[in-house]
Amino acid sequence: GAGVSQSPSNKVTEKGKDVELRCDPISGHTALYWYRQSLGQGLEFLIYFQGNSAPDKSGLPSDRFSAERTGGSVSTLTIQRTQQEDSAVYLCASSFSGRSTYEQYFGPGTRLTVT
Amino acid sequence: AQSVTQPDIHITVSEGASLELRCNYSYGATPYLFWYVQSPGQGLQLLLKYFSGDTLVQGIKGFEAEFKRSQSSFNLRKPSVHWSDAAEYFCAVGAAATGNQFYFGTGTSLTVIP
Repeated sequence: GAGVSQSPSNKVTEKGKDVELRCDPISGHTALYWYRQSLGQGLEFLIYFQGNSAPDKSGLPSDRFSAERTGGSVSTLTIQRTQQEDSAVYLCASSFSGRSTYEQYFGPGTRLTVT
Repeated sequence: AQSVTQPDIHITVSEGASLELRCNYSYGATPYLFWYVQSPGQGLQLLLKYFSGDTLVQGIKGFEAEFKRSQSSFNLRKPSVHWSDAAEYFCAVGAAATGNQFYFGTGTSLTVIP
């Protein structure tokens, strides 16, 4: 079946502009995660959704970052007033709930470049 | 605080040689441990996982990993590397106590030479 998809695959934006990144999880997966991967770094956890609610927002780096999930499916990560340090690959993952929550399936990522 | 360390940033091995990628973690309770592989331009793929039980776990593509509690390690091994194994490998730790938050290492880049 279809895997996790993300759009756009690449995004170049000017400093100060807002961007929206989209994630379509695997159908039926109730848990959804956003990560950020900077050059030479591991994956940085941003936010986790269970259904439409986000019990864990602790990883969002600043109040310029927000995310929502509607209908228990698609999620959007929004970065307002982008800064150059926001340049990274943003990865989305989804999974079933429960113990199998830890078996996360990742999308190909959105590469964000802030100029 | 929870953390994952992958001490080797880059490893080069010859095709057919054995491979071991190191992973050390810091966590107060029994962790759930994972290895993911990321090929160029691809998303992360789960290689194997450890939750409990047998400390030697088998994964896909001929990989295995061994959980050693005394050493806080979860090293990934493969007896004979193939050129297609060239990729970035990430170790991760998670547990229910962390609220479903995963902690990833910084990755090890594997180059396979013919």
